[in-house]
Formats: sequence, C-alpha cells, structure tokens
Amino acid sequence: QKEVEQNSGPLSVPEGAIASLNCTYSDRGSQSFFWYRQYSGKSPELIMSIYSNGDKEDGRFTAQLNKASQYVSLLIRDSQPSDSATYLCAVRGGATNKLIFGTGTLLAVQP
Amino acid sequence: GAGVSQSPRYKVAKRGQDVALRCDPISGHVSLFWYQQALGQGPEFLTYFQNEAQLDKSGLPSDRFFAERPEGSVSTLKIQRTQQEDSAVYLCASSLRGQGYGYTFGSGTRLTVV
Repeated sequence: QKEVEQNSGPLSVPEGAIASLNCTYSDRGSQSFFWYRQYSGKSPELIMSIYSNGDKEDGRFTAQLNKASQYVSLLIRDSQPSDSATYLCAVRGGATNKLIFGTGTLLAVQP
Repeated sequence: GAGVSQSPRYKVAKRGQDVALRCDPISGHVSLFWYQQALGQGPEFLTYFQNEAQLDKSGLPSDRFFAERPEGSVSTLKIQRTQQEDSAVYLCASSLRGQGYGYTFGSGTRLTVV
C-alpha cells in the first residue's frame, strides 16, 4: 500500500462544474496536508493547506480533511479550462518534516 | 531571492558521466528538500537539509547520489556514474522551519541520460 494514494484520472468535468479530487493516506500520525497544482512541464505550485478536520475554503477551492477516515479532498467550484492540470496531494507525517506525495490526478476541464 | 532557483534547467549526460545540480533557495528558508520526479509520477523524496545539516537522506536511491549544503544556503545534488534510470526531473524546494509550512518548488532540472 502506497503512503499517499490518488486516482490518476483523467478526471474530465465540463466548464462551470465542480471538480472533486480525492486522496487517502496511510500514516495515522500525519499532521499537515497540502494540495499542489502542476501544469505540464512545470513545477508543483502550492494551492491549499489544511491541518484540522473539516473544511477550509479559499476562493473557488475547498479542502476537506477527515483524519478518522484518513481522507483528504479538494473541491474546485466553477471549474475553468485553466484549472486543467495534475493535482498532487501531499502529506507530512507526525515525526518527519518531509512531504510524501501521491502520484497526482489529472484534471481536464472541457470548455 | 524571490523564488527557488535551480540550474541548469536541462542537462543531457552520457551514461557514466558525473553531474551536479544546483539549488538556490528562498532567502531565510532554513529547510531545503530534493525530490525526483519521473514522468507521470509524483515527486519522490530524496533528501532534506535544515541549514547545513542533512537530517534525512533516506530517499537517495544509491551511493551514487550525494547532496550537500555546506553554508546552509545553496545546495548541490551530485550524481556519479549516471545511469539511464536516473533520467528524471530533479526538484528542489525550500520552506520555513516548522510542520505547518508547505514547500516552494524551483523550476527543476530535467536530466536525460543517454
């Protein structure tokens, strides 16, 4: 079992719809959770962080964390073609400063 | 600087050649990380520095890989006797100290071993 798991996709949504991206992790001691966006040929860019159970909203993005289920999600409202990218889930364990990344989910927003 | 700077952006090496990849982190960021990203995969952890101390090198795939950060600022990742399986994008990231901070990544170095 990988430490951080994501569906590789592609996830295809029409423009204006809600895109829902999911991630599960194996280390129950994990403390910090991050979502990165990576355009093709570019480096990852931090878009959201979340540390406690519940929802955290920032503009069109909402991160959701459920530590009991070891589950993190990212919702993108009013999806735009410019949101088309790979979304990487990253988890920082309780005893380490390093981030463990999932393989990423490719999101395609259709105009 | 304003961002994490990596050089070179692209490197083509013949199999068996040694390469050195440079990372200049954001000023004031004490934590520096190296990751390897293969095509279609997420970044894989290689090593971590806090200032000049290398606190975790558990991700280095073999003893051909070596990283240093002698003055707690610029870091160099060296790969000796490169192999084709070393072909990947090498990402450097820096962050402030502490669990709650995400990383800022550099643009990466794309290494191709031929």
